[in-house]
Amino acid sequence: QKEVEQNSGPLSVPEGAIASLNCTYSDRGSQSFFWYRQYSGKSPELIMFIYSNGDKEDGRFTAQLNKASQYVSLLIRDSQPSDSATYLCAANSGTYKYIFGTGTRLKVLA
Amino acid sequence: DAGVIQSPRHEVTEMGQEVTLRCKPISGHDYLFWYRQTMMRGLELLIYFNNNVPIDDSGMPEDRFSAKMPNASFSTLKIQPSEPRDSAVYFCASRDTDSYNEQFFGPGTRLTVL
Repeated sequence: QKEVEQNSGPLSVPEGAIASLNCTYSDRGSQSFFWYRQYSGKSPELIMFIYSNGDKEDGRFTAQLNKASQYVSLLIRDSQPSDSATYLCAANSGTYKYIFGTGTRLKVLA
Repeated sequence: DAGVIQSPRHEVTEMGQEVTLRCKPISGHDYLFWYRQTMMRGLELLIYFNNNVPIDDSGMPEDRFSAKMPNASFSTLKIQPSEPRDSAVYFCASRDTDSYNEQFFGPGTRLTVL
């Protein structure tokens, strides 16, 4: 069974701090990785994707990928209360099939 | 564009009844996905279509579930007969081949089976 694992949280950080969200995956054939944000009662929305080892930055968000360790992370700098949501990690093995983790709930405390 | 449209937004039914969920993908998108989300299992892919053809239905839990896509602008997910363990939020998502890996999700249908 191909899996994507995330700590369910909640992860609580103070406003202005860096939030670090982590994800591991079991399928070594996974090629692309995604971070979705999901507010309570809403649908997931894509924040970032990454497919090369290393870091990818987009505004306050940085995705990090380490294929050797089968590890993906998302850093959120200058966290805001509006970042409070569940963050879903997903992996794709080159097909159109995406495997999602169960998500990490982030709470940013004002 | 209005985005992915799903109906109904909420459905409450009794065990044994047939349930039909509907989805209209974004115009021009050639891939359509049905997901189910629960607290315990997270977001699970049930089935996806390409150009109206089912490509992978390995996530469909059992024969009680069926999905169709009669044309490029409409898909249904049917559960017959429904059971309480089917209670979940069902999402439809679509994408086109050229939008690198980005799926657009609909608002979801919250299904409660009593």
